[in-house]
Amino acid sequence: ETGVTQSPTHLIKTRGQQVTLRCSSQSGHNTVSWYQQALGQGPQFIFQYYREEENGRGNFPPRFSGLQFPNYSSELNVNALELDDSALYLCASRPQGGPTGELFFGEGSRLTVL
Amino acid sequence: SQQGEEDPQALSIQEGENATMNCSYKTSINNLQWYRQNSGRGLVHLILIRSNEREKHSGRLRVTLDTSKKSSSLLITASRAADTASYFCATDEGNFNKFYFGSGTKLNVKP
Repeated sequence: ETGVTQSPTHLIKTRGQQVTLRCSSQSGHNTVSWYQQALGQGPQFIFQYYREEENGRGNFPPRFSGLQFPNYSSELNVNALELDDSALYLCASRPQGGPTGELFFGEGSRLTVL
Repeated sequence: SQQGEEDPQALSIQEGENATMNCSYKTSINNLQWYRQNSGRGLVHLILIRSNEREKHSGRLRVTLDTSKKSSSLLITASRAADTASYFCATDEGNFNKFYFGSGTKLNVKP
């Protein structure tokens, strides 16, 4: 039990639509990152937020965007969905900065784009 | 993208045997972590080793790190059927604001 919850657990969208995925972190975890995991692959880093500002981004286009809120919740928004966006989306939180680096993951949201 | 790569991609062993999986990465790091993922679920943190450490133990887990070779290994001793999962290494590559995961080793422990 990591204390990180994600919603929805599963959803189906069609190409061109927009989707919002949500994550609720543990109290005190003010750093949250999002990952995309295609079937059979490792998680790919999308971006990280710290104190409501994006402070790190992977190789994902601008149609992937995020928000982080003061209540330790966050969102991942994906516009203009493509078939290749079908994946498990994971959020991970950790305590304020620091060198420890341990990530606490949610169970993920599985997105299917038809 | 700069990621770790695990080897082997898949490993099948009998219960009670040891399992060793390896990870290689490309740039300097602050620390390297290993995670476990049961099928389609979230990842669970197993162990973290800092760049100035060479070996670390946690229960049945032993992790080594060779920064000169940019490689790490994870040893699970006396494996159990419940250890069946995918195992991933993750590196920060010197930047605490980005984490990179490898493609994973899928471990199957047969009872």
